[in-house]
Amino acid sequence: ETGVTQSPTHLIKTRGQQVTLRCSSQSGHNTVSWYQQALGQGPQFIFQYYREEENGRGNFPPRFSGLQFPNYSSELNVNALELDDSALYLCASSLGGQAHTEAFFGQGTRLTVV
Amino acid sequence: GQQLNQSPQSMFIQEGEDVSMNCTSSSIFNTWLWYKQDPGEGPVLLIALYKAGELTSNGRLTAQFGITRKDSFLNISASIPSDVGIYFCAGPTSAGGTSYGKLTFGQGTILTVHP
Repeated sequence: ETGVTQSPTHLIKTRGQQVTLRCSSQSGHNTVSWYQQALGQGPQFIFQYYREEENGRGNFPPRFSGLQFPNYSSELNVNALELDDSALYLCASSLGGQAHTEAFFGQGTRLTVV
Repeated sequence: GQQLNQSPQSMFIQEGEDVSMNCTSSSIFNTWLWYKQDPGEGPVLLIALYKAGELTSNGRLTAQFGITRKDSFLNISASIPSDVGIYFCAGPTSAGGTSYGKLTFGQGTILTVHP
C-alpha cells in the first residue's frame, strides 16, 4: 500500500508568479484535501476534491484552485502569489462515502514566496 | 467559525514522565482525531475517536472523547525522547459538501522531552 506523496518538496517563487503543487493519494482513497500550514500554526483547510469535483472550501480566495484527476491524484494551483502564501502545503487523502473522517497526510511542499 | 483550542501551548518534561494535553471546542464534534507532526513532515494520525465518552489507546498513548462532545484529552505515559514533536487535535469542519476528511485543527501543543 502506497502512502500520500507530494511534489515538489521545496519550492521558491517570486511574488506575482503562479505555482502548481501535486499530490498522489493513498492507494484506495478517492478523496483529496489540501491544507495550508503557516509557521507555528495548525493546518488550515483550503478545499477538498471528491470524484473530480470540489467538495467544500475553506476561507481562501479564488486564486487558490485545484483539480482532481481520474486516478484521484490532485493539483493545487495558486495564482498571483503573495508573500503571505509562504507556508507548508499539505495534501491529505481519505475515503469518501464513509462515516469516519480520518485523513492521512503527505510530507508537504514547503513554498517560499520572495 | 469552528475553533479548537489546545492547551498547554508547550510542555518541557523529563524522560519517563507522563504527559497530558487537551483540546476544547465551542461547538459539538462527532469525531476527534489526534495527530503528531515532526519538523518538516506532515501530520501522522495517532488516535481517532468517534463516540462520546470513548477511551482509546495506542501503545503509550491514550485519548478520550469528552462526554459533552466539546473536548478531548490525550495522555502519553512514560515519555521517551522520540515523543518530541507537535501534537494537534482535529475534528470535522463545516466547509460545505460532505464532511469526510475535512478537518479543523487546533494550534498544537509543542512537546519537548529532556533525556
